[in-house]
Amino acid sequence: QITLKESGPTLVKPTQTLTLTCTFSGFSLTTTGVGVGWIRQPPGKALEWLALIYWDDDKRYSPSLKSRLTLTKDSSKNQVVLTMTNMGPVDTATYYCAHISYGHWGQGTPVTVSS
Amino acid sequence: DIQMTQSPSSLSTSVGERVTITCRASQSISSYLNWYQQKPGKAPKLLINAASSLQSGVPSRFSGSGSGTDFTLTISSLQPEDFATYYCQQSYSIPYTFGQGTKLEIK
Repeated sequence: QITLKESGPTLVKPTQTLTLTCTFSGFSLTTTGVGVGWIRQPPGKALEWLALIYWDDDKRYSPSLKSRLTLTKDSSKNQVVLTMTNMGPVDTATYYCAHISYGHWGQGTPVTVSS
Repeated sequence: DIQMTQSPSSLSTSVGERVTITCRASQSISSYLNWYQQKPGKAPKLLINAASSLQSGVPSRFSGSGSGTDFTLTISSLQPEDFATYYCQQSYSIPYTFGQGTKLEIK
């Protein structure tokens, strides 16, 4: 059974860096073809695809956010970490991680950017 | 980026009705199209991938079709649990963009 769960701060201040962790089970990030993606959703708005990391450490980012995003993985801990720099109020959203198939998502973690 | 445009944005309809939601890509995406259902406060649920492949456990009243730039999601007979917001997503090229969503509301 595949599960994913996001964790991190619920409140960050403007200009701070956000660090979110996706902890997963039921699959391995050492298996060929496997990946973990990140998606966010501002309150009342549509989904926005952010980034994806593959089993071979290949990383893909949304061009509009590429300069602010960094993905890392720790396959031994079954974790993927997303960092987003220079947070602003427009980054207030629920952040989800998902298996590369997009058939399995975490429950999401809400992040509010406010001073 | 490939733009995904859904229509309608919202739809007021009744139990038992047949509903069709369309999704148009700004360029050809072959069949790299996913459909999701999202209920308030919940993560999206994948219903269909590869434009027409129904996910395990998804009721057969849901179906998807299309290729290239034009796609449809059809619900043959709406059930009370189907009132939700539906999103399409292209998985053809990075970034894997989503449509703006279609909200189904009870008439």
